[in-house]
Amino acid sequence: DTAVSQTPKYLVTQMGNDKSIKCEQNLGHDTMYWYKQDSKKFLKIMFSYNNKELIINETVPNRFSPKSPDKAHLNLHINSLELGDSAVYFCASSQEIGNYNYGYTFGSGTRLTVV
Amino acid sequence: GDSVTQMEGPVTLSEEACLTINCTYTATGYPSLFWYVQYPGEGLQLLLKATKADDKGSNKGFEATYRKETTSFHLEKGSVQVSDSAVYFCALSDPYGFGNEKLTFGTGTRLTIIP
Repeated sequence: DTAVSQTPKYLVTQMGNDKSIKCEQNLGHDTMYWYKQDSKKFLKIMFSYNNKELIINETVPNRFSPKSPDKAHLNLHINSLELGDSAVYFCASSQEIGNYNYGYTFGSGTRLTVV
Repeated sequence: GDSVTQMEGPVTLSEEACLTINCTYTATGYPSLFWYVQYPGEGLQLLLKATKADDKGSNKGFEATYRKETTSFHLEKGSVQVSDSAVYFCALSDPYGFGNEKLTFGTGTRLTIIP
């Protein structure tokens, strides 16, 4: 009964390839996020979606394209992968009630290695 | 903008020692404050949180008090165990973001407990 699930857990691919990471949450949350954790463990938000609408886009290269087919899913597609894209990508979700955020739940991460 | 400054690591302690990991923040408004823990090879787990001044979050023997006057949220534990070895992240979120909520993380502190 995983609350926020990401697939795949590990992804190794060559430079220039296109890849996707999928995320699903069964918590009924309205907002979903993608965070990137670099090799020094620093975490930074990339995108957030609220009810399928893009809310936050934190100056991420346009090779990264999020897609939210419904509010329970937020996928991340990456074109023309570069070595610097190697990182752990975390999906998360949160619930707002009356514009008050009650907390975040994270997936277990996808470790992307570009060779 | 919002920011979180966290004690630099790594921190190495003997089992049963006392732990303090310092965290201070800069934010407009009244953020919610969080400590997340990342065990080796795993995703982020919420450890504890506090949503208003003077609130104390606690879980698994860890505690942190929301101090508005010093803009701090230090993590403490009276007696650490080997199983507490992990990376600890302090984070804040503006809960009234009207859809623009995001977690802003500190840089993480790696804690190693030796038997």
